[in-house]
Amino acid sequence: DAGVTQSPTHLIKTRGQQVTLRCSPKSGHDTVSWYQQALGQGPQFIFQYYEEEERQRGNFPDRFSGHQFPNYSSELNVNALLLGDSALYLCASSSLNGLSYGYTFGSGTRLTVV
Amino acid sequence: AQSVTQPDIHITVSEGASLELRCNYSYGATPYLFWYVQSPGQGLQLLLKYFSGDTLVQGIKGFEAEFKRSQSSFNLRKPSVHWSDAAEYFCAISGYSTLTFGKGTMLLVSP
Repeated sequence: DAGVTQSPTHLIKTRGQQVTLRCSPKSGHDTVSWYQQALGQGPQFIFQYYEEEERQRGNFPDRFSGHQFPNYSSELNVNALLLGDSALYLCASSSLNGLSYGYTFGSGTRLTVV
Repeated sequence: AQSVTQPDIHITVSEGASLELRCNYSYGATPYLFWYVQSPGQGLQLLLKYFSGDTLVQGIKGFEAEFKRSQSSFNLRKPSVHWSDAAEYFCAISGYSTLTFGKGTMLLVSP
């Protein structure tokens, strides 16, 4: 049973560029959440997608946007990259109607902005 | 607003000794509580979760946690630590459908 798959695993971007990160949720999950984990910190909630719509959003600027596809996979886009956007980006999937089963996390995408 | 406090940034435990990692939360009602473990450069693995019922929760890898409403705590315990337990541990709370994490506790295991 495949868990949450994220791609790419690592990437390096230049300040001001744009980046797209991808996530495939665990089989049977319909909800995808994105988290940013800066070095030495706990993950911070960016936003959550369900039924192809953004349902909740954390305290992140509009430079962070996302999308969910009909197959429940999701993308995270970050525009006008800043050095401070360097972090591990984690995708978590869950079933909105099965929250008691918890969240499953992917291994993350390590983004370095230079 | 919900919040999680993990007061210990680092903890060093001898292999074979017992372990307790502290977690305190702030939330207006009974929350969903989680403990995750993260090895260097990896994602998060769920150790255990509490939703309701028995306040002593058993998890994977021999870990357990106890929910104490009166103390707003959800401390993680293990009776005998193994070198492979060295990692970072995160306590998290969920009021509806998103997670709020603490800053984590780094566990170091000495021989």
